[in-house]
Amino acid sequence: GAVVSQHPSRVICKSGTSVKIECRSLDFQATTMFWYRQFPKQSLMLMATSNEGSKATYEQGVEKDKFLINHASLTLSTLTVTSAHPEDSSFYICSANGGLGGNTIYFGEGSWLTVV
Amino acid sequence: GIQVEQSPPDLILQEGANSTLRCNFSDSVNNLQWFHQNPWGQLINLFYIPSGTKQNGRLSATTVATERYSLLYISSSQTTDSGVYFCAVDHRGSTLGRLYFGRGTQLTVWP
Repeated sequence: GAVVSQHPSRVICKSGTSVKIECRSLDFQATTMFWYRQFPKQSLMLMATSNEGSKATYEQGVEKDKFLINHASLTLSTLTVTSAHPEDSSFYICSANGGLGGNTIYFGEGSWLTVV
Repeated sequence: GIQVEQSPPDLILQEGANSTLRCNFSDSVNNLQWFHQNPWGQLINLFYIPSGTKQNGRLSATTVATERYSLLYISSSQTTDSGVYFCAVDHRGSTLGRLYFGRGTQLTVWP
């Protein structure tokens, strides 16, 4: 079945640095991917829609200059957290439509980001 | 945006018990999915069920789109069923795959 993979699964970075998270569709092409953020014991909140070959669409309240999204190919979207701060520490997870005309959405394994 | 409400927020069961989780949504949807999030954060697809009834082993789900709710049934619960169950919907007219999540139901199954 459709598989979406994220890397890294866990990352620790220092305040002020940037960190990149990758989201790959392994056996299908995804023109659109989605990035979510989840704080401990809370729900998933959509951050942005990543569009292959064009700019991402950000949800209200999400800083586009802080959370840079690039979707350079049909199988890869990246989320870069720039100038990270401890409050950016969270679980980030991506998703993609499973392709083949289906509507099921598949999620990556998620990435735990800790900013120290 | 569309509102998604899940109940109950927490559920504690003994192994072997049955349970029903509910998801209400405030507008028409293209897609409704139930997920199980394990302790490591991974989201596991349980059902894609914008309408009707589906069954998969001990789990089944029913969505009544006209009344804007969905139910997830877990029968003969096992300790491995513990985790958070999320309902997520894809608002009709929105980008396909753009999901709005409920707050989840935290299920704990004791042996």
